[in-house]
Parts: sequence; C-alpha cells; structure tokens
Amino acid sequence: GENVEQHPSTLSVQEGDSAVIKCTYSDSASNYFPWYKQELGKGPQLIIDIRSNVGEKKDQRIAVTLNKTAKHFSLHITETQPEDSAVYFCAAPPNRDSNYQLIWGAGTKLIIKP
Amino acid sequence: SAVISQKPSRDICQRGTSLTIQCQVDSQVTMMFWYRQQPGQSLTLIATANQGSEATYESGFVIDKFPISRPNLTFSTLTVSNMSPEDSSIYLCSVDVGDTEAFFGQGTRLTVV
Repeated sequence: GENVEQHPSTLSVQEGDSAVIKCTYSDSASNYFPWYKQELGKGPQLIIDIRSNVGEKKDQRIAVTLNKTAKHFSLHITETQPEDSAVYFCAAPPNRDSNYQLIWGAGTKLIIKP
Repeated sequence: SAVISQKPSRDICQRGTSLTIQCQVDSQVTMMFWYRQQPGQSLTLIATANQGSEATYESGFVIDKFPISRPNLTFSTLTVSNMSPEDSSIYLCSVDVGDTEAFFGQGTRLTVV
C-alpha cells in the first residue's frame, strides 16, 4: 500500500525567510498530492494540492513541486510570516480498495521566529 | 466545500466513563471519517462511517471501545467508552467533498483523569 514519509518533523525559520517541507511516497500510481495546515485548536485545512500531470503549482507565497520520477513532492513557503506557524501535513491517496480517506505524513511543525 | 460542526470542543472526563462526540455537516455526504490525533502526532484513522451500515474499523480499534452511529447523511457520533488516560487525545471527524478535498471539524480535545 501507499506509504508517505515527511521531513523534517520540526522546522524553525526566521520571519521573511523561506521554508521547505519534503514528502516521499511509495506508490507510483498515486496522482494527487495535497498539503494541509493545522493551526492550534483546529482541524487540518487544505492549503494547496497538485496533480501528477503538472510539476509545480503556485498560490501567492505557497508553492508545491512534484517529482514523479523520484516520487517526492515539496511544499515551499516564501517570505514567511508569523501566521505561517502551524503544523503542516502532506498526504497521498490510498489504494483503490482501501477505506482510508488519505495516507498522511507525520507532520512538520513550522516555527517562524520574529 | 463543507462546514463541519463538532461538539464538544474539549472535555475532561473521569476514567471509566464514556464521552460521545457529535459531528454535523452542512451538506449530505456518503462517508464520514473519524480520526485520533495524539499530541504532536499525525492523524490515525479510527473508522469510516457510511449511512445505513456498520462502521468499518481500522486495525487497533474496535466497536466496543469506539461505537459509531451514522443515522443520516449529515450526522455522526463517536463514543469513547470506558475511558482511560491513554484515550486522552484529539478526536477529529472529516468528510470528503468531491473526489479530493478533505474537510475537518475543529476537533475534540479529550483529557481523561
């Protein structure tokens, strides 16, 4: 079945700098890769996603890149701000016969230092 | 999109008691998902709930401990039974809208003392 690994577990960056979080997946048939942000006391919320027919997608300060050959995808946040502090999860779709909604990475706690 | 209302947002419970968590969605959905999230950890799927059938539980979770109801297409409950301190966690309900995006309730932070 699909397996998703996420690194690093914690990332601390200076405000204004860039942050990059990486995930690898195991199933070459996977075709959809979302990123979720979880703020304290809230459920995860989708911030950006990418499908396997494109290599990069941007939305203002956030971008996701996908390397299908290497089976990894990354979240890039530029010009980080205090409100970017949160836990970020990558995910990938489960196998067809699975009951799973998504296969989740372990999460990255992003800390933005003022 | 979907708006999910989850109640209670937090509770402190005595060991041996049970707590029922409610999840209300503002639209009809086929499947609802219940997760446990231990402090600093990722999301662990407890079970999937379809309306009109018994929930499907993942390895390590059983119906006697986590009974689930799904009386209609907009509502579900998860009960944490006979609680112990090890059940202290955040419990989340989630739904899919379309084929892809997952929407979550704000979570229930449970502390068992």
